[in-house]
Amino acid sequence: GENVEQHPSTLSVQEGDSAVIKCTYSDSASNYFPWYKQELGKRPQLIIDIRSNVGEKKDQRIAVTLNKTAKHFSLHITETQPEDSAVYFCAASRVMTGGFKTIFGAGTRLFVKA
Amino acid sequence: EPEVTQTPSHQVTQMGQEVILRCVPISNHLYFYWYRQILGQKVEFLVSFYNNEISEKSEIFDDQFSVERPDGSNFTLKIRSTKLEDSAMYFCASSNLWPWEGENTEAFFGQGTRLTVV
Repeated sequence: GENVEQHPSTLSVQEGDSAVIKCTYSDSASNYFPWYKQELGKRPQLIIDIRSNVGEKKDQRIAVTLNKTAKHFSLHITETQPEDSAVYFCAASRVMTGGFKTIFGAGTRLFVKA
Repeated sequence: EPEVTQTPSHQVTQMGQEVILRCVPISNHLYFYWYRQILGQKVEFLVSFYNNEISEKSEIFDDQFSVERPDGSNFTLKIRSTKLEDSAMYFCASSNLWPWEGENTEAFFGQGTRLTVV
């Protein structure tokens, strides 16, 4: 069935360092890849997304890359800050006539040490 | 900023009872979703809804579950005969027009309803 693998499950970095989270997906029909940040007890919030016709996208300190052939996509956070500490979920979505079907990764708990 | 609102924020129910979780999607959105997140685990897709019908559902979304848009603003998830393992946070989400036509492809999440089955 459809699956998204996410690594690592936990990541601890020093403030100012970079953090990289990697995901792979199985459904070749996936064409939209959002990344969500979830703080404890709160809703997932979109931080960046990428469509399948784009290989890379950047928004300030956050960048995503997509390799459709290998079914890999990654999140890169540069100059990390303590407020970046949260759980990050990658997701692979198949866009259908009736909306999205989104499969989430298991999440990466990021700790940024001051 | 418009947002998806869910009620109640926390629902406690006895095993075997029926619960209805309510959501008010963003007003100009046409696509609605329910997701589930068991404590400490990942977010799981349950169902998507468009044009007054289910467009996609996961294996989790069995006959115990149903969704409805009873009026122009609410979107509900009904869970019949709740089980202990239904305890989770349930997120409603909505998204805009057909994604490739619009700029916004984001699905906005509500703040969730924590369901506890005892």
